[in-house]
Amino acid sequence: GENVEQHPSTLSVQEGDSAVIKCTYSDSASNYFPWYKQELGKRPQLIIDIRSNVGEKKDQRIAVTLNKTAKHFSLHITETQPEDSAVYFCAACKLSGGYQKVTFGTGTKLQVIP
Amino acid sequence: TAGITQAPTSQILAAGRSMTLRCTQDMRHNAMYWYRQDLGLGLRLIHYSNTAGTTGKGEVPDGYSVSRANTDDFPLTLASAVPSQTSVYFCASSASGSGSTDTQYFGPGTRLTVL
Repeated sequence: GENVEQHPSTLSVQEGDSAVIKCTYSDSASNYFPWYKQELGKRPQLIIDIRSNVGEKKDQRIAVTLNKTAKHFSLHITETQPEDSAVYFCAACKLSGGYQKVTFGTGTKLQVIP
Repeated sequence: TAGITQAPTSQILAAGRSMTLRCTQDMRHNAMYWYRQDLGLGLRLIHYSNTAGTTGKGEVPDGYSVSRANTDDFPLTLASAVPSQTSVYFCASSASGSGSTDTQYFGPGTRLTVL
């Protein structure tokens, strides 16, 4: 089955610096890669996503890159702000056995220090 | 638009008792899902439904059952709760059913403690 590894598990950056979170997946059938942000006690919320036919996508301070050959995708946050502090999850999605199977990474706790 | 709602927000339940966690979406999404989130284990799929009238088992279905009588509602039932079912439960939905991969949107969660 699919395996998604996410690194690092914790990340501390100074306000204004960039943060990069990396994920690798194992199943080449995965074709959709969302990133979720989860604040303490809240629901996971989609912040950006990318499909397998695209190499890069950007939305203001957030960007995601995908390397299908290496089965690797990354989240980039520039000009970090304290409100970016949260746990970030990557995910790899594919159709399997009649449903959309989503495999989540184990999360990265990002702390932005003012 | 409410999106996805869950009830209750939190619950303490005695072991052996039954309980139904409620989930309702108003986005007319075809697919709905139940996940549990445990520290260090991430989000794990319990059951899913691609469309009203159909359900399927996910990664950790034992001890749980679901039904999908209509498009909007997807209740999760614990027939006889055990302490290992202590977790935060998230309901999610996506527009597509079994035809394509799609964004899943999450409800606010139910924090369940089984004593």
